Formats: sequence, C-alpha cells, structure tokens
Amino acid sequence: NAGVMQNPRHLVRRRGQEARLRCSPMKGHSHVYWYRQLPEEGLKFMVYLQKENIIDESGMPKERFSAEFPKEGPSILRIQQVVRGDSAAYFCASSPDINYEQYFGPGTRLTVT
Amino acid sequence: DQQVKQNSPSLSVQEGRISILNCDYTNSMFDYFLWYKKYPAEGPTFLISISSIKDKNEDGRFTVFLNKSAKHLSLHIVPSQPGDSAVYFCAASVAAGNKLTFGGGTRVLVKP
Repeated sequence: NAGVMQNPRHLVRRRGQEARLRCSPMKGHSHVYWYRQLPEEGLKFMVYLQKENIIDESGMPKERFSAEFPKEGPSILRIQQVVRGDSAAYFCASSPDINYEQYFGPGTRLTVT
Repeated sequence: DQQVKQNSPSLSVQEGRISILNCDYTNSMFDYFLWYKKYPAEGPTFLISISSIKDKNEDGRFTVFLNKSAKHLSLHIVPSQPGDSAVYFCAASVAAGNKLTFGGGTRVLVKP
C-alpha cells in the first residue's frame, strides 16, 4: 500500500507566478489535510478536505491560496501570485476516517525567488 | 497564541539511555494527542497517540504519558538508539482526525 504521494518534491517559482502542489492520499483514505512548515517552525494547519468538499479552511490565508479535492484525481493546493514569504515546506496528510491518525507525505519544498 | 509548546528545542542522550520529551498545551478542549518523528527532507512519521480517557499508552520502545490536570504530556523512548536522532513533534486535536495543532519540535541527538 503506497503512502501519501506529493509532487513535485521541489518547486521554484519567481515572485508573481502560480504554484500548484499535488497530493494523492493513501488508498482508501478520503480525508486530506494540508499543513505548512516555515523554516525553524512547527507545522501549521491550513485546510481539511473530503472528496469535493472543503470541511475546514480556518488556517488558509484569505487571499491567493485555494485548495480542492475533486471526485477524481489528487488534491491540489494552489498559490497565486507567490511572494517570498510563501517559501516553505508544504505537507499533505490523509486519513481513512475522522477518528484515525493522519499519515503524512514527503512534502513539497517551495522556493520563491 | 501557541496552544502546544515544546519548551526544549534540543535533547542529547547516550545510546541505550532513556529519552524524555515534554509537551505542554493550553487548550482544555484538546482530547487527542500524537507524537510524530521527522527526518530532514521527509514528512512526519506517526509514532504513537493517546486519547484523553487514558493516562498512558505504550508501543514497543515508545510510551506516552498524559497528565490532563497539568495539561502536560511526555514521550519516553527506551532504550534510545542512534536511528532515533530526529526532530520530534507533539500534536493535539479536539477530536481524533480533526486538524492537528503542532508544537515547535524537539531535536533529539542520540550519541553512540
């Protein structure tokens, strides 16, 4: 059973470009979470999605950030008009149900130049 | 406002000895607690969890203790091995499977 997959592993964008981060949950998992880790800090919750639904986006910045988890395909975290402060590691986690621990992917390291 | 705190940024321990990692929380609504281990350039790996109805949970070399009155939990690793050298994160949620609130991490170095 493959783990949580994230791609790309590394992404470099210039200021003002768009970044798209993809997450494929573990097989059988329908709950997806996105977290961000800034340098030398802990992980911070961004958004929680189930198939076709955003359940909790309380950690998402109000502008430029969006997330989706379509019926088919991976979950996508989209950052428009990136700025240097968006440089971070973005982790996706999945769980099979609400009462289970979350399993994390390897992360996408976004660098904004 | 940091709801989950790991006050020791680093810990050094001799191989074979016990590693004790501490975590404090302020939100009394938290009822599920987890520990994750993280190597550089990798995602966090789940280690062990505990719900608020228990005060201890053990899995092999890892034991988590929960003191609800003190809003404190700890992770014991016995015996410590060089492969345990990593950053350890404490995390909490209002309900299992809900969003996780992480501490800042403790970097553990196990010396051979």
